[in-house]
Amino acid sequence: EIVLTQSPGTLSLSPGERATLSCRASQSVSSSYLGWYQQKPGQAPRLLIYGASSRATGIPDRFSGSGSGTDFTLTISRLEPEDFAVYYCQQYGSSSSWTFGQGTKVEIK
Amino acid sequence: EVQLLESGGGLVQPGGSLRLSCTASGLTFSSYAMSWVRQAPGKGPEWVSAISDGGGHIYYADSLKGRFTISRDNSKNTLYLQMNSLRAEDTAIYYCAKEVGVVAAFDIWGQGTVVTVSS
Repeated sequence: EIVLTQSPGTLSLSPGERATLSCRASQSVSSSYLGWYQQKPGQAPRLLIYGASSRATGIPDRFSGSGSGTDFTLTISRLEPEDFAVYYCQQYGSSSSWTFGQGTKVEIK
Repeated sequence: EVQLLESGGGLVQPGGSLRLSCTASGLTFSSYAMSWVRQAPGKGPEWVSAISDGGGHIYYADSLKGRFTISRDNSKNTLYLQMNSLRAEDTAIYYCAKEVGVVAAFDIWGQGTVVTVSS
């Protein structure tokens, strides 16, 4: 099973700042199958990025994804108040199963 | 509006069973693969099981060891998860989620149903 490790665990930033979140896989992941989600308290996860770099419907362009192989990044160019949340990366593997990272919390500094 | 609505959660004793349901509206349910994803308190999401659009292909997380069964009734726009031999570690919010075709991501999620396994 591919393990996804996200870093940092918590990111303390101010509105307007740039956020860079990392997701590292224990073995190579197809970029086609790497996604990022945002989750706010009491809500279900929301798809932000699929295929490592494609924004889902309705997602603002301040969110961008990049990476390949074992290293992937989610960047929020300028944090808005509504962006403070927990972010998860997710991959789909050849064994027809999905795994998620443990999450990065972006909190207000 | 596309909507997924889960039901069937609750408090159950260890060793007990529950059947979760997820009813879809606003989409052609029979065209999409679906999954169950759970999230234990304070933890990240954990994929549980997936089923293809027609129900002919089914997959489970290895950790479940045959205790859960996924199924669907496309005539009722409903997805099911039969959970047997429940354990304390199965305590979680259970979400149903719609899969985005070839990119294997989940673009629509329900609000979740809470399952608590405790004596």
